[in-house]
Amino acid sequence: GENVEQHPSTLSVQEGDSAVIKCTYSDSASNYFPWYKQELGKRPQLIIDIRSNVGEKKDQRIAVTLNKTAKHFSLHITETQPEDSAVYFCAASKSNMLTFGGGTRLMVKP
Amino acid sequence: GAVVSQHPSWVICKSGTSVKIECRSLDFQATTMFWYRQFPKQSLMLMATSNEGSKATYEQGVEKDKFLINHASLTLSTLTVTSAHPEDSSFYICSSGDTYEQYFGPGTRLTVT
Repeated sequence: GENVEQHPSTLSVQEGDSAVIKCTYSDSASNYFPWYKQELGKRPQLIIDIRSNVGEKKDQRIAVTLNKTAKHFSLHITETQPEDSAVYFCAASKSNMLTFGGGTRLMVKP
Repeated sequence: GAVVSQHPSWVICKSGTSVKIECRSLDFQATTMFWYRQFPKQSLMLMATSNEGSKATYEQGVEKDKFLINHASLTLSTLTVTSAHPEDSSFYICSSGDTYEQYFGPGTRLTVT
């Protein structure tokens, strides 16, 4: 089955700096790669996603890149703010089924 | 977007008892519902996939006789944790959707004492 690795597991940045989280996946048939933000005790919240036919997507301060050949995808958050502090999960999807990465705890220090 | 509701939001039960968690799609037909379990400070792990009108598919290591899944209608899937033990204490989340978007329920915090 699919295996998704996510790094780093924790990331601490200063407010205003950029944060980058990286994921790799194993199944070349995966065709959809969402990123979720999860606050304690809440459901995952989709923040950005990318389909396999696209290499990059941007939405304001958030961007995602996908390298299908290398089976890598990354989340980039620029101008981080304290409210960006949360746990972020990448996922790879095939036939509606999501496989999640291990998560990254992002801490943005004011 | 579409809405998935989940009930209860939290439950405390005694060891050895059973607990039922309901997941409803409020404004779409959910032919497939995914059930996840999330232990503290860990990721979401897929437990099983339920399909309306047929048997659920369980992931390796998940006991189908302990985690009973029923998906009797296109809007309701239920997960029953039978003979619950403290190690079953976790956050259980359901989701449904299509190829490019999954809608998550708000989750159920189960505590077994």
